[in-house]
Amino acid sequence: DAKTTQPTSMDCAEGRAANLPCNHSTISGNEYVYWYRQIHSQGPQYIIHGLKNNETNEMASLIITEDRKSSTLILPHATLRDTAVYYCIVTGSGGYQKVTFGTGTKLQVIP
Amino acid sequence: GAGVSQSPSNKVTEKGKDVELRCDPISGHTALYWYRQSLGQGLEFLIYFQGNSAPDKSGLPSDRFSAERTGGSVSTLTIQRTQQEDSAVYLCASSLVPNTEAFFGQGTRLTVV
Repeated sequence: DAKTTQPTSMDCAEGRAANLPCNHSTISGNEYVYWYRQIHSQGPQYIIHGLKNNETNEMASLIITEDRKSSTLILPHATLRDTAVYYCIVTGSGGYQKVTFGTGTKLQVIP
Repeated sequence: GAGVSQSPSNKVTEKGKDVELRCDPISGHTALYWYRQSLGQGLEFLIYFQGNSAPDKSGLPSDRFSAERTGGSVSTLTIQRTQQEDSAVYLCASSLVPNTEAFFGQGTRLTVV
């Protein structure tokens, strides 16, 4: 399984876009990029995932570089409720999420 | 149920005792995962069940840890002869099929004293 690298922490002003980067330089062709977030003391929550193409849903957008070695999660209009730890993971072949999550990025949204 | 349910939510046990943690996945979900999260750390993968296939136990940290999934539904994680380093939050997740979003339970906080 590929490993990921994320910044330890980031700040974002409320109402602004939050752009969270993730490096996964050893990703293989059939491994997916998934993003989850964990608000204090709760179980992680799914945000979005992708393979090659950019993806968008009601929560966020996922931009994957053409070489697939990095990606960016975009929260278009951050709110205080988006303060959380954001995890980027690369799954095993076929999307199996039997991987260890790193320590993620602690996003602090500032009023 | 509406979501993944884990019980108990908190468990305090004495060192050397055995504990059982329960996970009720979302009905119809074929994939089930167990993770462990120590204080301030990320999620450590423990074990994975998919349908009726043999489980992937590659993440279990020692032979004191075991898990089973009965009837493709409820799963139990058992830790024998608990040690203080086993103290953590144990999270269960399920997904409809492998490559879809995983839904997590609220976890069981295990404290070994």
